Amino acid sequence: GAGVSQTPSNKVTEKGKYVELRCDPISGHTALYWYRQSLGQGPEFLIYFQGTGAADDSGLPNDRFFAVRPEGSVSTLKIQRTERGDSAVYLCASSSLGGAEAFFGQGTRLTVV
Amino acid sequence: AQTVTQSQPEMSVQEAETVTLSCTYDTSENNYYLFWYKQPPSRQMILVIRQEAYKQQNATENRFSVNFQKAAKSFSLKISDSQLGDTAMYFCAFGGSQGTYKYIFGTGTRLKVLA
Repeated sequence: GAGVSQTPSNKVTEKGKYVELRCDPISGHTALYWYRQSLGQGPEFLIYFQGTGAADDSGLPNDRFFAVRPEGSVSTLKIQRTERGDSAVYLCASSSLGGAEAFFGQGTRLTVV
Repeated sequence: AQTVTQSQPEMSVQEAETVTLSCTYDTSENNYYLFWYKQPPSRQMILVIRQEAYKQQNATENRFSVNFQKAAKSFSLKISDSQLGDTAMYFCAFGGSQGTYKYIFGTGTRLKVLA
């Protein structure tokens, strides 16, 4: 596609539920990044994929968070047993090998009630 | 670990005037990149300007320029001839070392351009 696409744009879920957030990167981009942006803060790194494998998952806050990228393109961020503190905008970005920048999607705003 | 600090939570500027946003950072690395991103209400992060640490010359992109002081670990953004469309959150980011975009972002500066 022309840009990084994230779905859904907004998601409201109840505390304790499971959610999946999807990221469709720019075609041909091998690197994919997930960030979390809490209200009034800058984005914080969660996880980085190079191809199908997670090259760096040091930013995942706990084991309720998991992400996959099975075919090296679309990625899904999965959050189990959601908590109110998980409410944030989840941003995805992709970059090409040797590219000069990462390109961001418009994010998914997750609200846990 | 790297840190990025933006000490101006909010700023305003009159249309057509010039404004400077401040950013300081800390790192022990020698080769890295610094970025300024704009985030309008649409939430999408848009790259404004990029600076390679090994380059002494300050980066410029049309109305946007930076003052990069490597020894002082300072990276400010100057916006000339401010336009209403420049109203947004601006984030300074450290990244690009080791070939990845595992960015470290500051907390942002909310810029409002006044008509």
